[in-house]
Amino acid sequence: EDKVVQSPLSLVVHEGDTVTLNCSYEVTNFRSLLWYKQEKKAPTFLFMLTSSGIEKKSGRLSSILDKKELFSILNITATQTGDSAIYLCAVESYNAGNMLTFGGGTRLMVKP
Amino acid sequence: ETGVTQTPRHLVMGMTNKKSLKCEQHLGHNAMYWYKQSAKKPLELMFVYNFKEQTENNSVPSRFSPECPNSSHLFLHLHTLQPEDSALYLCASSPQLLGADQYEQYFGPGTRLTVT
Repeated sequence: EDKVVQSPLSLVVHEGDTVTLNCSYEVTNFRSLLWYKQEKKAPTFLFMLTSSGIEKKSGRLSSILDKKELFSILNITATQTGDSAIYLCAVESYNAGNMLTFGGGTRLMVKP
Repeated sequence: ETGVTQTPRHLVMGMTNKKSLKCEQHLGHNAMYWYKQSAKKPLELMFVYNFKEQTENNSVPSRFSPECPNSSHLFLHLHTLQPEDSALYLCASSPQLLGADQYEQYFGPGTRLTVT
């Protein structure tokens, strides 16, 4: 059965810190890995990664995928209080209509 | 193990069938949620319950009928679904309703639904 594990479960940092969130997976017929940020009720999409070693970047956020070691990291530099949220990782497989398997999320709190 | 369980994990149903999805949490949370994840679409919020009362219905068709008999259990009753309803249905719970400072939410593994 497909499995996605995120770590740490929760994290408290201060503004200006850099954080690294981890996502490891065991999925057959991997297609892509997605990162979401959830601060309201419905998560918002951040990145989709399909190829190993290619960093995707958006402002202070960046992410990279390692398909050999089966993990991805999400980096946030110079954190701000507005980065406080749950960060979800999900993996898409070619099985069962390209549906997603979600990790349990990392709860990030950034203190002033 | 996130503490939120969903059954069944996989479901195949015909358009005339009636089935139910179940979500359970024993985390002591007061708010529970149903989400829909379709292929290549963002997560869509469907319903929100707080202390067993429905607080949000995100314009979901009536063929989806939620039920929250207590704070630990949430159901999604399905009837006369369409093939485009095939998706991953995720349940989540949180200690309180999500808001400005409240974003502690736990997701279940989801039910993969296929409507034939």
